Amino acid sequence: DAKTTQPPSMDCAEGRAANLPCNHSTISGNEYVYWYRQIHSQGPQYIIHGLKNNETNEMASLIITEDRKSSTLILPHATLRDTAVYYCIVRATNQAGTALIFGKGTTLSVSS
Amino acid sequence: DAEITQSPRHKITETGRQVTLACHQTWNHNNMFWYRQDLGHGLRLIHYSYGVHDTNKGEVSDGYSVSRSNTEDLPLTLESAASSQTSVYFCASSESGAPYGYTFGSGTRLTVV
Repeated sequence: DAKTTQPPSMDCAEGRAANLPCNHSTISGNEYVYWYRQIHSQGPQYIIHGLKNNETNEMASLIITEDRKSSTLILPHATLRDTAVYYCIVRATNQAGTALIFGKGTTLSVSS
Repeated sequence: DAEITQSPRHKITETGRQVTLACHQTWNHNNMFWYRQDLGHGLRLIHYSYGVHDTNKGEVSDGYSVSRSNTEDLPLTLESAASSQTSVYFCASSESGAPYGYTFGSGTRLTVV
């Protein structure tokens, strides 16, 4: 699996958009980008995933650059409850069932 | 509703003792995983299973073992507990072919004294 690089921490004001970057410059053509988050003391929670098109769901949007070497997770209106560690993970589709390997992620702090 | 449960939530054990952490899921997922989480290390994969009687080693498997005798359960055993195994342990499950659908348990906090 390709490696990912994320900033260790970010701050965001409540109500503003939180944009979390992820670099995956060695990503292969069959690898998806997945985002999970972990709120303090809880198990990680799936947010969103994508291959090359931008994706949106009720939680967030995922913007993947055209060359697929980086992506951005967008929380459009961050709330205090979005304070968490956010993990960007790259994994190939032909590894169905292969365990996710988590890096250290980005700690997002949302303040009022 | 389907769920994944871990027990106990908290456990204190002595160095050298064998301890088993339970993980039970009612999602009927084929894949199950064990992770540990320590400050400064994030989540690290211990063992995982793709189905009954299948087990695989992860990143930090030394000192741990698992067995999969049915779909619902993947118990994690510490053969001889060490202080370095003090950690929070998370179990997860997923359906084959659905890499986005990982469901995690609430975790077990294990302290080895």
